[in-house]
Amino acid sequence: DQQVKQNSPSLSVQEGRISILNCDYTNSMFDYFLWYKKYPAEGPTFLISISSIKDKNEDGRFTVFLNKSAKHLSLHIVPSQPGDSAVYFCAASSTYNAGNNRKLIWGLGTSLAVNP
Amino acid sequence: DTGVSQDPRHKITKRGQNVTFRCDPISEHNRLYWYRQTLGQGPEFLTYFQNEAQLEKSRLLSDRFSAERPKGSFSTLEIQRTEQGDSAMYLCASSLGSGGAADTQYFGPGTRLTVL
Repeated sequence: DQQVKQNSPSLSVQEGRISILNCDYTNSMFDYFLWYKKYPAEGPTFLISISSIKDKNEDGRFTVFLNKSAKHLSLHIVPSQPGDSAVYFCAASSTYNAGNNRKLIWGLGTSLAVNP
Repeated sequence: DTGVSQDPRHKITKRGQNVTFRCDPISEHNRLYWYRQTLGQGPEFLTYFQNEAQLEKSRLLSDRFSAERPKGSFSTLEIQRTEQGDSAMYLCASSLGSGGAADTQYFGPGTRLTVL
């Protein structure tokens, strides 16, 4: 059962426009959400995170929005650049694991293509 | 470079052989995680260390898998009697955690294992 879902396998946008990547989750115990960017044959690179006590977090061109009632979060990239082309993963963690284990539960990723 | 490092980056082995991977976390990070990622999937949690203690192992880890983190620094992941189904990208992440508070995991470049 997929607890973190990214329903769009791919997204294509024009350079300079906004990219919006979506993520839904089912486990109400998740309290911390992260977005990672990944290139083929490399490890994930941390982009931005948000705690469940907030509804928005911004870092430069990246903004993450959290709607707890809908169990939905989104990553906005403005303006999009060709270098943003990669696979983006949404991940979530919960405090309710033994030993303070903050293991991440991941979505399947969305492949973003930013066209010049 | 003070990021997470993994060695080797690539490993090709024959079925039935043993392999060992190494992960060097960011210095002073007390938490270390191993994940496995196969094509088209998000990473899946394998095991978690807090300092030198291994506090959780996923059911994905059969008895052929063992992980250690002596002295709470680097970690090794060994797979005995490899099978073709073990072919995947093995990812290591570290974080600086305190109690149950959320932490951000930083990933290494991964080790790509191919079992022939």
